[in-house]
Amino acid sequence: GQQLNQSPQSMFIQEGEDVSMNCTSSSIFNTWLWYKQDPGEGPVLLIALYKAGELTSNGRLTAQFGITRKDSFLNISASIPSDVGIYFCAGSQYNTDKLIFGTGTRLQVFP
Amino acid sequence: DAEITQSPRHKITETGRQVTLACHQTWNHNNMFWYRQDLGHGLRLIHYSYGVQDTNKGEVSDGYSVSRSNTEDLPLTLESAASSQTSVYFCASSSGTSGRGYNEQFFGPGTRLTVL
Repeated sequence: GQQLNQSPQSMFIQEGEDVSMNCTSSSIFNTWLWYKQDPGEGPVLLIALYKAGELTSNGRLTAQFGITRKDSFLNISASIPSDVGIYFCAGSQYNTDKLIFGTGTRLQVFP
Repeated sequence: DAEITQSPRHKITETGRQVTLACHQTWNHNNMFWYRQDLGHGLRLIHYSYGVQDTNKGEVSDGYSVSRSNTEDLPLTLESAASSQTSVYFCASSSGTSGRGYNEQFFGPGTRLTVL
C-alpha cells in the first residue's frame, strides 16, 4: 500500500533546540495531518491543514501545507523532554475519508 | 467527554483461535477504522466503515473481518489467529460529515495482541 515518505527517521536533540521534519508524496493531497504517539498509547492529533500554503500553529508546534500539495512540514521550537515520541504525518486525497500515514519520525530529547 | 475505547488492552491467544477486539466510540462519528502497527511498517489499514451496515477492506484485510451493527461499535475479528497477526491494533473514528475536520481521525489506546 501507499505510504508517505517521512524524514528524518529519527532525531536525537538537546533540550531547547528546534526540530524540523517533513513528509513527501508523489501524489497530491487535499488534507495533511500531524500526529504524535507516546509509548504504549494511540496517536494524538496535533495539527490539521486543509489548504495549500496554509501555516498553522499549536503552541510550540508549527506545520505547513506545501504549495505543491505533495508535502508538509512540522517544526517544533524550543524542544522539551515531553516532546519525546513518534511523530506521524498523514494525508488524505480528494473524495476519500481514508488517511495514508507516513513512516514516522522518532524524536529523542536529551536534557 | 466523548471518547474512543478499546478492549482488551492486552490479549494472548493461541494459533487457530478466534479472537474479537472491541472498539467503542461516543462521538457519534460515521466513520470507523482499524489499523495494525508493526515495527518498520507504520500504521496499516485493515478494515473501515463509513456507517451502519457498511464495511470495506483495507490494505491488509486477509484473516480479519468486521461488522457494523450500530454507530458506536466496530469489532474486529480474527477468524483463525496466526503468529503473523501478533501486533498492536488501533481503532480510530472520524466524523465523515462535510466541512473542515471531517476526516480528522481520533485514535483509541490500542490493543496489544500476541498469538503463540
